[in-house]
Amino acid sequence: NAGVTQTPKFRVLKTGQSMTLLCAQDMNHEYMYWYRQDPGMGLRLIHYSVGEGTTAKGEVPDGYNVSRLKKQNFLLGLESAAPSQTSVYFCASSYPPRETQYFGPGTRLLVL
Amino acid sequence: SQKIEQNSEALNIQEGKTATLTCNYTNYSPAYLQWYRQDPGRGPVFLLLIRENEKEKRKERLKVTFDTTLKQSLFHITASQPADSATYLCALASHNTDKLIFGTGTRLQVFP
Repeated sequence: NAGVTQTPKFRVLKTGQSMTLLCAQDMNHEYMYWYRQDPGMGLRLIHYSVGEGTTAKGEVPDGYNVSRLKKQNFLLGLESAAPSQTSVYFCASSYPPRETQYFGPGTRLLVL
Repeated sequence: SQKIEQNSEALNIQEGKTATLTCNYTNYSPAYLQWYRQDPGRGPVFLLLIRENEKEKRKERLKVTFDTTLKQSLFHITASQPADSATYLCALASHNTDKLIFGTGTRLQVFP
């Protein structure tokens, strides 16, 4: 039982490049979330999903897209990376919603 | 506007003492309040959840109180140990949302 896993762990991008962050959970949770964490800003919700095939915007969705084609996977895409997207990205899952969230280990992204 | 406040200054206490961390909120009507622990370079880990109709919750050396009149939660660690050193995040969930809103966290340092 791996819980929530994220790939990659670390990535360096140049401005304008694209990439996809993968989140996988093996707890059969309906709800999945993508956050970014920046110094002094705390965890901010980017996008979330309430079930397979559904996605919704969070607090800071601009510049990101997501997909939830399979219940266990939640993908976060950056189409054209910007230095402002340098951050640590965390994925989480939960069921029921609003209760315990299980977090992945994070992806550290540096955009030059 | 909605706001969650945690003391941004680190809390330094001596081993064996009780650590008390504060989470204040405004313009929320939370259904649940949660506390998470985050170690450097890792994702947050769930500790305790307290519901709006509960005043206090305990788990081993941890105690959480929830005062909806004062709009405040206190998180206590009794008989603190150096291993308790970490950043502690509070998070709120309102009745009409599937999302958690996180505070920025307070860093606790327990020294021998």
